[in-house]
Amino acid sequence: EAGVAQSPRYKIIEKRQSVAFWCNPISGHATLYWYQQILGQGPKLLIQFQNNGVVDDSQLPKDRFSAERLKGVDSTLKIQPAKLEDSAVYLCASSVDHTSTDTQYFGPGTRLTVL
Amino acid sequence: GENVEQHPSTLSVQEGDSAVIKCTYSDSASNYFPWYKQELGKRPQLIIDIRSNVGEKKDQRIAVTLNKTAKHFSLHITETQPEDSAVYFCAAQVTGILTGGGNKLTFGTGTQLKVEL
Repeated sequence: EAGVAQSPRYKIIEKRQSVAFWCNPISGHATLYWYQQILGQGPKLLIQFQNNGVVDDSQLPKDRFSAERLKGVDSTLKIQPAKLEDSAVYLCASSVDHTSTDTQYFGPGTRLTVL
Repeated sequence: GENVEQHPSTLSVQEGDSAVIKCTYSDSASNYFPWYKQELGKRPQLIIDIRSNVGEKKDQRIAVTLNKTAKHFSLHITETQPEDSAVYFCAAQVTGILTGGGNKLTFGTGTQLKVEL
């Protein structure tokens, strides 16, 4: 079974620039999550989708971060404009459903460095 | 919101010894407790999980215990090997059917386990 795919794996940008990350979840998984993992910390949830709808974006800094999952499969997370403190690994995860104790499976992440 | 505390932050053991990592959580509605292993530069990988209707679960050298009354859960690794060296994260989840807004998975701060030869 193919896992969660993410691209790019690494990205270096200047502050105030824009950046976008892509995620393809495990086939058949309705729920998709974006997490931010700052060095030395555990992942922190940014946004959660069920199919193409947002079920939780309470921790997403909406002034600069946006995400979409238009067709209920792939998702894109965007940062515009980036700040130094956005340097982190951005992890995408997926699970079968958002109302059960199903396991979340993580992708390899995108390591973002903001200079 | 949920708060998950994890101890210790670093743990060094000799090969063959046991390792124990402990976590506490604050939200009594949490009903799913996964443990993830993350090697340097790699994705978090699920190693074991436990649901709130179970007190203990074992898978070969790995076991997890859950005390819902005390809001404690622990990871036990026996007969440690060098390849067990990694960062381990505990997590606690309140499922979407309870939140009405999706699964809420909160991670601990991680334990850097080093298994020495």
